[in-house]
This record gives sequence, C-alpha cells and structure tokens, in this order.
Amino acid sequence: KQEVTQIPAALSVPEGENLVLNCSFTDSAIYNLQWFRQDPGKGLTSLLLIQSSQREQTSGRLNASLDKSSGRSTLYIAASQPGDSATYLCAVIKIKAAGNKLTFGGGTRVLVKP
Amino acid sequence: DGGITQSPKYLFRKEGQNVTLSCEQNLNHDAMYWYRQDPGQGLRLIYYSQIVNDFQKGDIAEGYSVSREKKESFPLTVTSAQKNPTAFYLCASSPQGSNYGYTFGSGTRLTVV
Repeated sequence: KQEVTQIPAALSVPEGENLVLNCSFTDSAIYNLQWFRQDPGKGLTSLLLIQSSQREQTSGRLNASLDKSSGRSTLYIAASQPGDSATYLCAVIKIKAAGNKLTFGGGTRVLVKP
Repeated sequence: DGGITQSPKYLFRKEGQNVTLSCEQNLNHDAMYWYRQDPGQGLRLIYYSQIVNDFQKGDIAEGYSVSREKKESFPLTVTSAQKNPTAFYLCASSPQGSNYGYTFGSGTRLTVV
C-alpha cells in the first residue's frame, strides 16, 4: 500500500527565505507526482506535475524534483512572500487498470512572516 | 475559462436527511472523483468514475452514492446512512491517460445541524 509522508507538518519562515518542502513515498512504482496548494477553506490549486520519466519541473519561483529510487520529491519556493502562506500537498499518481490511484500526503502548513 | 464548479459552497444537513452535492466540469475530462477532507486525516477517496454510466467505490464509499449520466456532471449524494458527514468535500477530474494531473474544484463544506 502506498504511503505518502510530508515533513515537517508545519513551517514558519521570515519573508525572503527559501522554502524547502519534502515529500516521501513508499512505492516507487508511481507514474506522476503532483504538488498542490490549498488556502484555508478553499480547493486545491495545482502547482506542478512531474511525470515519472522527469527529474524536475519549474514554474516561476517554484521548482519540484523527483527521485523515484529514493522515494522522494522536494518542492523549492524561492524568495518566499507572505502570499505563499498556505498548506502544500503532494500526491503520487499510480496508473491502474481500474482507474488511476491518487494518494496524498498529509500536507505542510507554511507561514511566511512579513 | 475551463474548470470545475462545485455547489453549493456551504450546505447544512439535518439528521436523517439526504443531501446532494453538485460537481460540473467543462474540461472535457473523462474521469471524475470525489474526496472527503477531514482535519488531521488528509484527503480520502469516496467514489470515482472513468466513463459515463460507470463508477467505482473508493476507500470510504459507505453512506454515499453517485451517478454519472453526463460526462460533465458527477453529483454526490450524502445519505442518512453516513453517520459522520460533517467534512469538506472536493471534486476532481482528470483526462484519461498517464501524462496528466488532476484538477480540483473549490469544495463544499457540509455541516450536520
């Protein structure tokens, strides 16, 4: 059974500092890995999708890496801003005949202090 | 703009009552999903559908029912058999195939009164 862990559960940094969010998974036979952002009381916003054959994806200040052999993905957010305060969730996607299986980590709650 | 619309944003249910949560997408995605989010428990899959007129139970389907009569729509009914329905419900969709991620709606918060 796939288990996805995000450590730390919460993180507080001063504005301008780089953020490093970790995601680990137990079953390396994943297909894709997707990072999401969730603001309080809101839905999930997709940040980056890394396909299994890729090592990383970048979008603006965000960079996500994927190392299947070690079962890890890392989301880097450069030069953090107060608007980056949110919960960040990683999800691993496994392709199955009966339907893709998406397994979420518990999330990392980030607070960027002005 | 393409996306997923969930309604209502807030919903209140009385004991013994069935309620239906709406999920509509205009992304032309084949697959649709319902998740439940509780504090401290993360997201759990309730039901999913890969194609019209077909759906499968997820990890916590008891007390819920769904239908998929149209590609764009995947409503979730929370029945009176669901003993602890207070939660945040999220609908998602994805294209078929291995190269795509998921798109989520803005959620419905259901509270039992």
